[in-house]
Amino acid sequence: QVQLQESGPGLVKPSQTLSLTCSVSGDSISSGSHYWSWLRQPAGQGLEWIGRIHTSGSTTYNPSLKSRVTISGDTSKNQFSLKVTSVTAADTAVYYCARDLRPGNNWFDPWGQGTLVTVSS
Amino acid sequence: EIVLTQSPATLSLSPGERATLSCRASQSISSYLAWYQQKPGQPPRLLIYDASNRATGIPARFSGSGSGTDFTLTISSLESEDFAVYYCQHRANWPLTFGGGTKVEIK
Repeated sequence: QVQLQESGPGLVKPSQTLSLTCSVSGDSISSGSHYWSWLRQPAGQGLEWIGRIHTSGSTTYNPSLKSRVTISGDTSKNQFSLKVTSVTAADTAVYYCARDLRPGNNWFDPWGQGTLVTVSS
Repeated sequence: EIVLTQSPATLSLSPGERATLSCRASQSISSYLAWYQQKPGQPPRLLIYDASNRATGIPARFSGSGSGTDFTLTISSLESEDFAVYYCQHRANWPLTFGGGTKVEIK
């Protein structure tokens, strides 16, 4: 059973960098051709796809965030990470990591439980 | 960017009733649509993918239909655990986007 768990600071100051990690168990981020994604959801609002990383290390980003986002993988720890630079209050959200249902099909299943990140001074 | 518009925003129904949720795409997305269910404090759960395929473990009362720009999620007879927010998502091109959601609440 594949499980994902997000971790990282719950509070980030404006203009700083948000950094989160997704720890994966039950699957390997370095094999199987899956894509591993980050998504977010502001309180009471809808979902936004941020970007993804492939087992090969290639990445795809949402153009709306591309200039500020980096997704990377650490195969030795079976984790992948998200960095968002120059954050503002608009980046306050619950951040989720997820895997695609089947390699490359871009449906999200399973998901992590999510972690709330608040941007505030 | 493809915009997905869900309607209605809120659906007030009683247990046992039929729920019909709509998702309309701003351009044709073939059958590249999925539906998710989200309950408070939980991540979304994949229900339907490729417009009409139920994900593993999803009860048969959930069904999806449509292609092109108009899609429907139907819950044939609402159970108490079905009251939640439902989102549609496309994968036709980049970026992947979601609809704004439909809340199914108890009448």
